[in-house]
Amino acid sequence: GENVEQHPSTLSVQEGDSAVIKCTYSDSASNYFPWYKQELGKRPQLIIDIRSNVGEKKDQRIAVTLNKTAKHFSLHITETQPEDSAVYFCAASRQRGGDYKLSFGAGTTVTVRA
Amino acid sequence: NAGVTQTPKFQVLKTGQSMTLQCAQDMNHEYMSWYRQDPGMGLRLIHYSVGAGITDQGEVPNGYNVSRSTTEDFPLRLLSAAPSQTSVYFCASSERRPSTDTQYFGPGTRLTVL
Repeated sequence: GENVEQHPSTLSVQEGDSAVIKCTYSDSASNYFPWYKQELGKRPQLIIDIRSNVGEKKDQRIAVTLNKTAKHFSLHITETQPEDSAVYFCAASRQRGGDYKLSFGAGTTVTVRA
Repeated sequence: NAGVTQTPKFQVLKTGQSMTLQCAQDMNHEYMSWYRQDPGMGLRLIHYSVGAGITDQGEVPNGYNVSRSTTEDFPLRLLSAAPSQTSVYFCASSERRPSTDTQYFGPGTRLTVL
């Protein structure tokens, strides 16, 4: 099965600075990579996703990059704000055949210092 | 739409007791799943269903049963609770498969087994 590793496990940044979270995956057939944000005591929610036919995707202050050759993808948050403090999960899945499982990384706790 | 709902929000069990965690969605989603969230381990898939009458095992199925008699409901049964099952449980649904569609999570159930 798919194994997703996520680093770092915790990240503290000054407000206004950038934050980068990196994930690697093991299954070269994986081609869908979503990112979920979970605020304290809340449910995970999708913030951005990328498919293997795209190298980079942006949505306002967040962006995701994908390197299929190296089997890693990253989340970039620019101009961090206090509301960006949360746990972020990366995930990977195959969009093919009868595959119905999304594999998650262990999560990164991001703290934005005022 | 209420989205994905879960009951109860909190539950304390004694070792050996059984119980059912309820999950319902009103979005007519085909795919539903159960995850458990433990510190430092991300979200791990317990069981999933691709439609009414069809269920399958995920990554950590032991000690849990599921059924899917209707499109809307996907209950998770703990047969004989153990302290190792202390966790936060999330139900999720997506329109079809999680490799193509956004997963919507419920608010979670925090379970403690003494």
